[in-house]
Amino acid sequence: SQTIHQWPATLVQPVGSPLSLECTVEGTSNPNLYWYRQAAGRGLQLLFYSVGIGQISSEVPQNLSASRPQDRQFILSSKKLLLSDSGFYLCACPGHTNYGYTFGSGTRLTVV
Amino acid sequence: TQLLEQSPQFLSIQEGENLTVYCNSSSVFSSLQWYRQEPGEGPVLLVTVVTGGEVKKLKRLTFQFGDARKDSSLHITAAQPGDTGLYLCAQPGAGSYQLTFGKGTKLSVIP
Repeated sequence: SQTIHQWPATLVQPVGSPLSLECTVEGTSNPNLYWYRQAAGRGLQLLFYSVGIGQISSEVPQNLSASRPQDRQFILSSKKLLLSDSGFYLCACPGHTNYGYTFGSGTRLTVV
Repeated sequence: TQLLEQSPQFLSIQEGENLTVYCNSSSVFSSLQWYRQEPGEGPVLLVTVVTGGEVKKLKRLTFQFGDARKDSSLHITAAQPGDTGLYLCAQPGAGSYQLTFGKGTKLSVIP
């Protein structure tokens, strides 16, 4: 089964600073990859998804961007963070069975 | 975009009690997934239901898919503190590239 690694687990950044969150996947090849954001322990909002290297689709206009430089690597970035970028960021890919997704353990971002 | 409504938003019960949480939509689900998320972790898939009227059991958890595939419920028997968490339902999007999630039910089981 696949495993998703995310780092860092926790991040505190000042407003206006850049951001780079990394997600890597093991146990599968050429997966669809997704970035979700979750605010205050509630539902997940899809930010970006990628069906292959260099292919990024954005679901919500925002201060963030994503890139997929390698098959199993998905990066979430920002040039200048806003307070509203705070949240819990999750990377995911489809599982092998039951149509479900496998999620990473997430990055808690606090912008101060 | 099809919206998923989950109820209740919050639920606090004593250990040993039974509970039911719900996931509803105005449109038909192609399939529906239930996840549990613990604080500081990513959601973990519990079950996928596909067929109208389907019932699936996972130990003390019983999942039901409505006959018309527009609603689903999760029933927990004799809740344990380990059941505490955020319960999310989700369904595939129109393009099948992404999942759409409800806002979840936050369950607290008090010892």
